[in-house]
Amino acid sequence: AQSVTQPDIHITVSEGASLELRCNYSYGATPYLFWYVQSPGQGLQLLLKYFSGDTLVQGIKGFEAEFKRSQSSFNLRKPSVHWSDAAEYFCAVVLTGGFKTIFGAGTRLFVKA
Amino acid sequence: DTGVSQDPRHKITKRGQNVTFRCDPISEHNRLYWYRQTLGQGPEFLTYFQNEAQLEKSRLLSDRFSAERPKGSFSTLEIQRTEQGDSAMYLCASSPNGLAGYNEQFFGPGTRLTVL
Repeated sequence: AQSVTQPDIHITVSEGASLELRCNYSYGATPYLFWYVQSPGQGLQLLLKYFSGDTLVQGIKGFEAEFKRSQSSFNLRKPSVHWSDAAEYFCAVVLTGGFKTIFGAGTRLFVKA
Repeated sequence: DTGVSQDPRHKITKRGQNVTFRCDPISEHNRLYWYRQTLGQGPEFLTYFQNEAQLEKSRLLSDRFSAERPKGSFSTLEIQRTEQGDSAMYLCASSPNGLAGYNEQFFGPGTRLTVL
């Protein structure tokens, strides 16, 4: 079955530390890949997306993600976390040519001073 | 503000009642999506419109759910005979034309439904 897995329900990092959020997908072919962020009381916002080309994708707010076909992964990274990054992060996929977006269950990020 | 708007923001209803939610997408966007999000989960796809045509509908959408986008602008999502399991946040998103499925979706703030 098609699925998106975010193994970590929540992660706590210190402000200024690096961050990596994991995402694995299960599809026959490479789908379109997305990372969204949902801050408390706010709507989901796109951080970055990937379809083809360079496997390291830059996004907004200093985030980047790396696509690894061999591992069916699309992990999100940030070299130095700020307190304002505390939010819930969702990995999502869309089958190429389709419209149905499948979201992972999300990873809640806590940032400690 | 020209973002996606949803109305109402909150709705409390009794089991068995019908409810209707409205979504106003960004004006130049011709694609519109509905999702349902429950606590601790990611959004679940419900349905998709290209202009006024409903092109895809999830199996999650039972016969009690119906969505319309009559003039290709705003959309409504109706739930008939609500059940407690329908309690969730209902999200609307819109996106512009372009490579199918690859465009950024712009999300509204959601309508939180509580069924007593």
